[in-house]
Amino acid sequence: QVTLKESGPGMLQPSKTLSLTCSFSGFSLSTSGMVVSWIRQPSGKSLEWLAAIDWDGDKYYNPSLKSRLTVSKDTSNTQVFLKITSVDIADTATYYCARSWYPGLEFAYWGQGTLVTVSS
Amino acid sequence: DVVLTQTPPTLSATIGQSVSISCRSSQSLLHSNGNTYLHWLLQRPGQSPQLLIYLVSRLESGVPNRFSGSGSGTDFTLKISGVEAEDLGVYYCVQGTHAPWTFGGGTKLELK
Repeated sequence: QVTLKESGPGMLQPSKTLSLTCSFSGFSLSTSGMVVSWIRQPSGKSLEWLAAIDWDGDKYYNPSLKSRLTVSKDTSNTQVFLKITSVDIADTATYYCARSWYPGLEFAYWGQGTLVTVSS
Repeated sequence: DVVLTQTPPTLSATIGQSVSISCRSSQSLLHSNGNTYLHWLLQRPGQSPQLLIYLVSRLESGVPNRFSGSGSGTDFTLKISGVEAEDLGVYYCVQGTHAPWTFGGGTKLELK
């Protein structure tokens, strides 16, 4: 059974660095073609793909945010991380991680999401 | 970036009614490998999105066959043949052909 679960700080102040963790089970990120993405959704709005890391350790970023994003994974291939630097109020959103196959990015499995609020 | 435009933004339906949602892309979604990576998601209130249809028309396992997808190139359609109460929520199209991968603005299906 594939499961993913996001964790984060809940709330942080503007200009700080946001660190998120996606812990997953039921699959291995070392499997050829496997990809884990980060996607966010401000309240009442649509979804925005942020970043992804694949089975080979290759990283993909949304160019609109690339300078602020860093995606990584642990050596056991059971967790994926996302760091967003210099956050501001516009980064307030629910952050999801999702599993896909490459190419295609069909996002077949999603975590429950973690709400991050940026506020002073 | 590829822009996906969904219409209508809101759809009111009665139980049993058939409805369609359109997703138009600013670029062809035909990949160089011959596949078209256009998928449909449903986000029920308070829940994470779930995959309904992938590769334009393939039904994800466990999804009722009242859902169907069609289209090619830049024009795609999701059809629900006989809406049920559990179908209410926001539908999103998403493309995986061109990076960065992008989502449509969503279509909210509500009860009339």
